[in-house]
Amino acid sequence: DTAVSQTPKYLVTQMGNDKSIKCEQNLGHDTMYWYKQDSKKFLKIMFSYNNKELIINETVPNRFSPKSPDKAHLNLHINSLELGDSAVYFCASSQFETQYFGPGTRLLVL
Amino acid sequence: GQSLEQPSEVTAVEGAIVQINCTYQTSGFYGLSWYQQHDGGAPTFLSYNALDGLEETGRFSSFLSRSDSYGYLLLQELQMKDSASYFCAVRESGNNNDMRFGAGTRLTVKP
Repeated sequence: DTAVSQTPKYLVTQMGNDKSIKCEQNLGHDTMYWYKQDSKKFLKIMFSYNNKELIINETVPNRFSPKSPDKAHLNLHINSLELGDSAVYFCASSQFETQYFGPGTRLLVL
Repeated sequence: GQSLEQPSEVTAVEGAIVQINCTYQTSGFYGLSWYQQHDGGAPTFLSYNALDGLEETGRFSSFLSRSDSYGYLLLQELQMKDSASYFCAVRESGNNNDMRFGAGTRLTVKP
């Protein structure tokens, strides 16, 4: 059974489009996260949700909006995609110190 | 400011021992974690140190010195499959328990 899953795995789209990435965890964790990993492998936290409440909102553009319909899901919606949004986006969940990452979504904006 | 410093690249041969250092500067501190990421894969948890000292898990060990704001990951009996990027990460107290990652150390294991 997959602990943290993301869809889609690959996403190729044009500038200006709106896209969503879905994430689900079946670990029963209270906190979920979205990370962005750029081409230089730098891993930066974007958002986290704890019991459906946003507790971290890093300085990301407001074109990015997390949506959590329930504790097991944290989706990421991106409006008006830009070239610089091309990266790998990882969803993760945690209960204590260990973070469990999803397989990543490779986004390429053309 | 808040930062984590680790070497960008390390190269070693099979069977050797390698140490990847991490120094951190944070406003508050809970503990130091290490993650491994293979090319094309997701980061996976290796270890966590909240207290000073050495934690051993098989071929991998992790060390923390809170007074020196320093830790390291020690990999013994290196295998080719250990070639990957290794990230240190800190959880900061007083900042929504934010988890911050270092830039990663690319380890290449050669035959």
